[in-house]
Amino acid sequence: SQQGEEDPQALSIQEGENATMNCSYKTSINNLQWYRQNSGRGLVHLILIRSNEREKHSGRLRVTLDTSKKSSSLLITASRAADTASYFCATDGAGTGRRALTFGSGTRLQVQP
Amino acid sequence: DAGVTQSPTHLIKTRGQQVTLRCSPKSGHDTVSWYQQALGQGPQFIFQYYEEEERQRGNFPDRFSGHQFPNYSSELNVNALLLGDSALYLCASSLDWTGTGELFFGEGSRLTVL
Repeated sequence: SQQGEEDPQALSIQEGENATMNCSYKTSINNLQWYRQNSGRGLVHLILIRSNEREKHSGRLRVTLDTSKKSSSLLITASRAADTASYFCATDGAGTGRRALTFGSGTRLQVQP
Repeated sequence: DAGVTQSPTHLIKTRGQQVTLRCSPKSGHDTVSWYQQALGQGPQFIFQYYEEEERQRGNFPDRFSGHQFPNYSSELNVNALLLGDSALYLCASSLDWTGTGELFFGEGSRLTVL
């Protein structure tokens, strides 16, 4: 079963708007990561937030983590057409004993020019 | 500095055949993980190799096997192919075998089983 589940499954916005994606997970974690995937390509790491952090910024990206609710959000500000991609959260196996990242099913973001 | 490279990029097989996919990790990385990604889904963890041994395995049958060579490159083998094995197979490398660090992905091998 998926450890992380993203919401919404799909999101369509206009260029310049902000995009917010949410991720919920089930077990304890050491950290949570967000990845981006252009259609049919490999995944690219965006940002990692540790379990003792509540918020982290990287350029136009802002990630929050609420370990009490087992949830995270990714905010992309001032979106661009080039941000069109699928976005995945990934959790480590601290709560499962598995030493591997587990990915959610992703949010497909479409940014209209 | 070359990133993660995978070969072949695309291949077509028929049910019952066997396939071997190859991966060269990012320079300096010693840990390789393999993921299967079905269309419209997130990547599913197959297994991880470190020091030429399988260290972790996901919920995949024994038809899926792998190998890691002394130069850290890796192969994924799938026997007795099923239609459901059609997917994008992603290789990822890292410096961290604990499964908590950043993964660097290749562009994947797209397998179609007819």
